[in-house]
Amino acid sequence: QVQLVQSGAEVKRPGTSVRVSCKASGYTFTSYGISWVRQAPGQGLEWMGWISAYKGNTNYAQKFQGRVTMTTDTSTSTAYMELRSLRSDDTAVYYCARVYGLDYWGQGTLVTVSS
Amino acid sequence: QIVVTQEPSLTVSPGGTVTLTCASSTGAVTRGYYPNWFQQKPGQAPRAVIYSTYNKHSWTPARFSGSLLGGKAALTLSGVQPEDEAEYYCLLFHGDAQLWVFGGGTKLTVL
Repeated sequence: QVQLVQSGAEVKRPGTSVRVSCKASGYTFTSYGISWVRQAPGQGLEWMGWISAYKGNTNYAQKFQGRVTMTTDTSTSTAYMELRSLRSDDTAVYYCARVYGLDYWGQGTLVTVSS
Repeated sequence: QIVVTQEPSLTVSPGGTVTLTCASSTGAVTRGYYPNWFQQKPGQAPRAVIYSTYNKHSWTPARFSGSLLGGKAALTLSGVQPEDEAEYYCLLFHGDAQLWVFGGGTKLTVL
């Protein structure tokens, strides 16, 4: 069965970076892309961008351009999302989801940014 | 900035029918926006229910249906069950900007 398993919760200081991983199983990793979505506490969903697991092409939401990098490691079927220059309003649960249709989701990774 | 708008909240009686809508600030929503719908319950990850306007996933109950209605994407629940109480989000693809944008969500109460 398709599964996306994300890395554990992180606590970060403002100005630092975080990298969240998303390990895929149960399907051919390079046949689908991975999107990243975040949800601040009590707020809605926010699309951050996506990466093609086959070619590594990326497309980022304008809000995150210059601050986010999405990568994949096809040898381990793992996608990564790095967010830099963290601020307190980056505190959120970060999800990975399989493209297309965002049909399968990871369990989410809580990133807390606090001094 | 692209804004996708949903009803903030709706209430429906058990067994009733309710339609949630999803509009884009860029104009009428068409199939080219590939509307997706997601259900999210408290403390859980979102669950996909509809993709590309009207297609159901293998786990989507038959009472859920997607469509286009009056220039918006729509999600209709017929014969609503108590377990359908949740937040529902739409997601639209904006081809000119090559961006996906979520709506703000609709809190559906079954009462």
